[in-house]
Amino acid sequence: DVKVTQSSRYLVKRTGEKVFLECVQDMDHENMFWYRQDPGLGLRLIYFSYDVKMKEKGDIPEGYSVSREKKERFSLILESASTNQTSMYLCASRRSNEKLFFGSGTQLSVL
Amino acid sequence: EDQVTQSPEALRLQEGESSSLNCSYTVSGLRGLFWYRQDPGKGPEFLFTLYSAGEEKEKERLKATLTKKESFLHITAPKPEDSATYLCAVQATSGGGADGLTFGKGTHLIIQP
Repeated sequence: DVKVTQSSRYLVKRTGEKVFLECVQDMDHENMFWYRQDPGLGLRLIYFSYDVKMKEKGDIPEGYSVSREKKERFSLILESASTNQTSMYLCASRRSNEKLFFGSGTQLSVL
Repeated sequence: EDQVTQSPEALRLQEGESSSLNCSYTVSGLRGLFWYRQDPGKGPEFLFTLYSAGEEKEKERLKATLTKKESFLHITAPKPEDSATYLCAVQATSGGGADGLTFGKGTHLIIQP
């Protein structure tokens, strides 16, 4: 069974902390994505990566960075967490032009 | 800019009461339209992909259809376990194929016993 695994289901962090969200996929997909999901705003794309060490900004990249050192792993980094980054974060992967596979999500609370 | 609008935002039905969810889209060219189901606190699960107007896909009580401007997700004789948020997403031909999907805000469906 194909899997996208996010390292944490729930995280609570303090304002100003550096936060790492990890995502691993076992399907050898070249494309990986980070979305955030907020009530009333839907899913919004933060960053995506189409190859190792390659990254592209999505619709809302401000305040975030990403890292992809290995094909199966895509990390989202909040350099200095703020309260407006409290959200559900969803990682996804796919082959080009095919369906997205999502992880279970990380609910991040920044206090 | 690609846009996806889903309606209604929320829908409450009685068990067995059939209905349809709408997804209207605006893209320069459609590469694919995707339907997902999302349960509370979980990631979206894939349901269907539609590629061209006139195409239909079915799975159990769900049937997805596609025109040049919109897609419908028809739910026939729903059961309480069909309660979820249903998401529609599009991929445009203008992207390189590696970019993400544009999602609608979803329809929150509740099926009452």
